[in-house]
Amino acid sequence: QVQLVESGGALVKPGGSLRLSCEASGFPFREYYMYWIRQTPGRGLEWIAYITETGGTIYYAASVKGRFTISRDNAKNSLYLQMNSLRVEDSAIYYCARDTSGSHFGYWGQGTLVTVSS
Amino acid sequence: DVVMTQSPLSLPVTLGQPASISCRSSQSLVYSDGNTYLNWFQQRPGQSPRRLIYKVSVRDSGVPDRFSGSGSGTDFTLTISRVEAEDIGVYYCMQGTHWPPVFGQGTKLEIK
Repeated sequence: QVQLVESGGALVKPGGSLRLSCEASGFPFREYYMYWIRQTPGRGLEWIAYITETGGTIYYAASVKGRFTISRDNAKNSLYLQMNSLRVEDSAIYYCARDTSGSHFGYWGQGTLVTVSS
Repeated sequence: DVVMTQSPLSLPVTLGQPASISCRSSQSLVYSDGNTYLNWFQQRPGQSPRRLIYKVSVRDSGVPDRFSGSGSGTDFTLTISRVEAEDIGVYYCMQGTHWPPVFGQGTKLEIK
């Protein structure tokens, strides 16, 4: 069955960096677009990054553009989110997600918690 | 960006009774391919969101048939025909027609 397992969340100081990972299994990872979505009590659910199957096309939400980098390693069935210049408002649960049935976000991971605080 | 507005934000319900959640978009969600990319998600306490319905009215695999979606254009509804205890949580609509994908604020379903 499809599994998405995020890791890498931690407590980090403002201005710091963190790299999140999402390990995929149960499906041909190299054939799917992948997304990062985050959730905060104040801003709710927010899509933040998208990458196509080969990594040839990438989009970011305006709130993270220039600070976050999405990437993937199809040989390792893994998705990544490099987060730099972290701000207090980046504190959130970060999920990776995949489309299914031709529509968005049919599968989600369990999430990983990022806390940005001094 | 498209704005998705849900109502109500809190919905107290009696077990066994029906419940409905409204979702309105600031633009039509009909895509050029003729599909309407409006999805509904359920988030139980302590869990990740789970997609229940996609393209307005298609239930995902394993979703009980007491859940149904309807609507068109800019107005959409999620209906639970008879609320069960396991339905408690927060429900989100989401549009995928216009880039970027946008979620509604969420509706908290709770027992009266």
